[in-house]
Amino acid sequence: QVQLQESGPGLVKPSGTLSLTCAVSGGSISSSNWWSWVRQPPGKGLEWIGEIYHSGSTNYNPSLKSRVTISVDKSKNQFSLKLSSVTAADTAVYYCAKQLVYAFDIWGQGTMVTVSS
Amino acid sequence: QSALTQPASVSGSPGQSITISCTGTSSDVGGYNYVSWYQQHPGKAPKLMIYDVSNRPSGVSNRFSGSKSGNTASLTISGLQAEDEADYYCSSYTSSSTLYVVFGGGTKLTVL
Repeated sequence: QVQLQESGPGLVKPSGTLSLTCAVSGGSISSSNWWSWVRQPPGKGLEWIGEIYHSGSTNYNPSLKSRVTISVDKSKNQFSLKLSSVTAADTAVYYCAKQLVYAFDIWGQGTMVTVSS
Repeated sequence: QSALTQPASVSGSPGQSITISCTGTSSDVGGYNYVSWYQQHPGKAPKLMIYDVSNRPSGVSNRFSGSKSGNTASLTISGLQAEDEADYYCSSYTSSSTLYVVFGGGTKLTVL
C-alpha cells in the first residue's frame, strides 16, 4: 500500500519561499499516476495547488501558477513543492496526494506551514 | 469563493439518510464524470469516499453513494452513524480556464 509523508519547515518568513517534500513509500513514483499538492488554511476548505507526472509534466492552479513549482526526483521516489513570495494567506496545512485519474485516493498526513516573521 | 457550491451544514439523526449537494457548471460537474467526495474528521487528512461520480473505493461502506444530475452532484449517506459526523468536500475536474481540479467549500455533517 502506497504511503505518503510530507516534510519541510513549519515556519516561513513573509516574502520567502515555502519548500516541502513528499516521500512516497510502498510504491514507485514512476507508476502511471499523477501526484498532487493540496492545501487547507486553518478552518477553511481544500485548495488544489498542482500536479506532476513522473515524466516531469505539470499542471498548476491558475491562481497560484506564477508562484508555484512542483518537481519530481525519481531516484529518491519523492516530489516537491516550492511556493515563492509567500504571505500570511499561504499559512495552511499542506497535503501531498496520489491521484486516481482526477480523484485523490491516498493522502499524506499533512504538514502545517505558518508564514510569519 | 469556492468554484463548487455546497451547503455549509446538514444534520440528521442516527439511522436516517442525508444528502449533500455539490453544484457547479457545465465546465466542471456537468461536463465530466470526474466528481469525487472526501470525508475529513478534525485534525485528519481527507479520505476518498466516492470517485468518478458514483464509484466507491475498496473499504468504503456501501452506506455512501454518489450521483449526478446536470450540474449538481450528490452524496447520500444512509443509516447515519455517529462516526459519520465530519466535514465533506466534493471536487471535480474542470476545463473552465486551464486543466485543473476544483473543490467545494465543504459541508459540516452533524449527527444529532
